[in-house]
Amino acid sequence: NAGVTQTPKFRVLKTGQSMTLLCAQDMNHEYMYWYRQDPGMGLRLIHYSVGEGTTAKGEVPDGYNVSRLKKQNFLLGLESAAPSQTSVYFCASWFPNYGYTFGSGTRLTVV
Amino acid sequence: EDQVTQSPEALRLQEGESSSLNCSYTVSGLRGLFWYRQDPGKGPEFLFTLYSAGEEKEKERLKATLTKKESFLHITAPKPEDSATYLCAVPQGGSEKLVFGKGTKLTVNP
Repeated sequence: NAGVTQTPKFRVLKTGQSMTLLCAQDMNHEYMYWYRQDPGMGLRLIHYSVGEGTTAKGEVPDGYNVSRLKKQNFLLGLESAAPSQTSVYFCASWFPNYGYTFGSGTRLTVV
Repeated sequence: EDQVTQSPEALRLQEGESSSLNCSYTVSGLRGLFWYRQDPGKGPEFLFTLYSAGEEKEKERLKATLTKKESFLHITAPKPEDSATYLCAVPQGGSEKLVFGKGTKLTVNP
């Protein structure tokens, strides 16, 4: 039981490049989330999904898109990366009474 | 607006020196308060969920308590392996979206 798996773990992008971060969970959870974590800012919600085929905006959605075509996968896309998107990205899924189960994170640097 | 404030931002303790971390919150209709531990380079890991004022939960050297306005994470006789950032969070507006505090970075020196 791997829980929540994020790929890749590290990535360096040039300004303007695009990429997709993959989150996969094997716990059959309905709810999934993408957060970014920056020093002094804490964890901030980017987008989330309440089930297969659904997505919704969080606190800081600009510059990101998401898709949830399959229940177990939640993809986060950056269409045109900017230095302000340098961050650590965490995916999570919701389990009642336990809140979130987090992945191990993706460290993204945009140069 | 739902808010979570943690204090202090950082705390240095000597091994065996007990202390407490604070999490104050403003949310309408609390549906749980969550504590997580985060080690460097890793995702947060679940510690506790508290639902009602007066509730307490314990795990090894950690004890979490809850009042109507704040929660405390008490650390008794800490060891260096307790060094981590501790996060608290509450569900936003009755949803399953968690709002996080900025965390308390705890360092326990041997």
